[in-house]
Amino acid sequence: NAGVMQNPRHLVRRRGQEARLRCSPMKGHSHVYWYRQLPEEGLKFMVYLQKENIIDESGMPKERFSAEFPKEGPSILRIQQVVRGDSAAYFCASSPLGERPGNTIYFGEGSWLTVV
Amino acid sequence: AQSVTQLDSHVSVSEGTPVLLRCNYSSSYSPSLFWYVQHPNKGLQLLLKYTSAATLVKGINGFEAEFKKSETSFHLTKPSAHMSDAAEYFCVVSGTTGTASKLTFGTGTRLQVTL
Repeated sequence: NAGVMQNPRHLVRRRGQEARLRCSPMKGHSHVYWYRQLPEEGLKFMVYLQKENIIDESGMPKERFSAEFPKEGPSILRIQQVVRGDSAAYFCASSPLGERPGNTIYFGEGSWLTVV
Repeated sequence: AQSVTQLDSHVSVSEGTPVLLRCNYSSSYSPSLFWYVQHPNKGLQLLLKYTSAATLVKGINGFEAEFKKSETSFHLTKPSAHMSDAAEYFCVVSGTTGTASKLTFGTGTRLQVTL
């Protein structure tokens, strides 16, 4: 059973370009979470999705950021018109169970975005 | 609202000596608590979790943590440090309202292990 797969692992974009980060959850998992880790900081929750639904996007910046988890295919985190402050590690996580406290959430290895 | 405070940003120990990484939490409800480890440029690995069962939780690689409600603490310990333990450690609390699985991370403790 492969773990949570993220790609690309490293991405370099110029200011103003778009960044697309992909996440395939573990087999059998239908809950996906995206977190962002800025340099020298802990991870911050961005968005929680189930198939075709955004459940909680309270951590998403209001502009330029969007996420989706279609019926088929990976979850996508999209950042439009990137700026230097978007440089960070973006982690995807998935869980198998319904929404409940204490769920074990499995993290991918992250996608490191560098904006130059 | 919930929060996590990791009291030390850096901890340095000698190989073979005990490890103590401190964590205090704040939660309006009975929390679920986790410790994750992150090696450089790697993802996060779950070390252990507490979900209102036994207060002393044993994890992987010899780590354990004790939930103390009276002290609102969840400190991580290991009897004998190994060089491979050098990494960033995050104390994490899980929400009990709204998005229950949403995790709130501490700012991390960098563990250095010296010879």
